[in-house]
Amino acid sequence: ETGVTQTPRHLVMGMTNKKSLKCEQHLGHNAMYWYKQSAKKPLELMFVYSLEERVENNSVPSRFSPECPNSSHLFLHLHTLQPEDSALYLCASSQVDSGEQPQHFGDGTRLSIL
Amino acid sequence: DAKTTQPPSMDCAEGRAANLPCNHSTISGNEYVYWYRQIHSQGPQYIIHGLKNNETNEMASLIITEDRKSSTLILPHATLRDTAVYYCIVISNFGNEKLTFGTGTRLTIIP
Repeated sequence: ETGVTQTPRHLVMGMTNKKSLKCEQHLGHNAMYWYKQSAKKPLELMFVYSLEERVENNSVPSRFSPECPNSSHLFLHLHTLQPEDSALYLCASSQVDSGEQPQHFGDGTRLSIL
Repeated sequence: DAKTTQPPSMDCAEGRAANLPCNHSTISGNEYVYWYRQIHSQGPQYIIHGLKNNETNEMASLIITEDRKSSTLILPHATLRDTAVYYCIVISNFGNEKLTFGTGTRLTIIP
């Protein structure tokens, strides 16, 4: 149990579907992150929310839309995805006013685009 | 962030100590050394971190050389559940910097 819960764990969707990934952290952290992990590629940072404001949008296509309603919850809304978007999507959280403290990750959502 | 170099793979017998090396020769004075691991089908798991002193917690020990150019993660009594990819990262401030994982070391614990 990492303190960061992601749902669903697995998702299969067609290219025209709309779905959302959910992340909840129980660690009292004030920053949350979305990462993409594709096979045989390094972890890619997608979005950062610090104190509920988006501070990083790492050139991510607009078919990915994040939402952070409060410091404990983070969503990634998906719309009209492409086959190359199939990957493991990881959520993480950290306490940004304590720079030494590490990010803690959830177990991810394995997304497959048909 | 400083670049790190790790061997791509290692084997270790169950019950033995697993010693995973990492080179970070360009580390700067304010950068910490962090270790994560990723077990198949799970997210990265934080293990330990340190600045210049050796550190120990319930999972592992971290030995950092005096010049800070390399470090070793030690799993004292490896079990089959320790089979994973281990990542060594150097970073000065998690709050403001991108976390970048390299290719890591794939550790296989052999029964």
